[in-house]
Amino acid sequence: DSGVTQTPKHLITATGQRVTLRCSPRSGDLSVYWYQQSLDQGLQFLIQYYNGEERAKGNILERFSAQQFPDLHSELNLSSLELGDSALYFCASSVVERGGSTEAFFGQGTRLTVV
Amino acid sequence: GQNIDQPTEMTATEGAIVQINCTYQTSGFNGLFWYQQHAGEAPTFLSYNVLDGLEEKGRFSSFLSRSKGYSYLLLKELQMKDSASYLCAVENRDDKIIFGKGTRLHILP
Repeated sequence: DSGVTQTPKHLITATGQRVTLRCSPRSGDLSVYWYQQSLDQGLQFLIQYYNGEERAKGNILERFSAQQFPDLHSELNLSSLELGDSALYFCASSVVERGGSTEAFFGQGTRLTVV
Repeated sequence: GQNIDQPTEMTATEGAIVQINCTYQTSGFNGLFWYQQHAGEAPTFLSYNVLDGLEEKGRFSSFLSRSKGYSYLLLKELQMKDSASYLCAVENRDDKIIFGKGTRLHILP
């Protein structure tokens, strides 16, 4: 158990809908990262938050948005869903601001299926 | 563009040594990670290299050459549980983390 909690574990929804994925980081971790993993694209970095502020942005679509709340949990909002958004979405957390200077711990992921 | 290349699949025998290579072209470089991911599970951190050279951690070692844009992960005394995907990732100068597509390692008894 990494200490990072993601909910829900599985989500099935229709095209055009909007969903929210939730992540609770490890206690004491200030950074939260969101990743998308699909079979053909591998693991894609979406966005990082540090202590409530957006820190770095990767290949995140405009239909997607995220935020980190004062209690440090984070939400990833996916809207106008398309079939191609079906993927495993991971959240990771680390104690530091910079992405790589220490170990990031991953949650077990949310499997999103868009039908 | 930004690109991370690693072999798609490799096969090795239990007890042997295997080297998984990774080459990268990114806009700047802050550091390079290796992660292990078992099928259906989350990635777990293996190593992080910032400076050139070899970092050893038990059965696993990671090497970096920044001038060549090259890294490798060396796994010794292979065990069946090492069957997994190994992901190479680079943090570029904008603090974005770019992953390769991973190398699926199969261990044969």
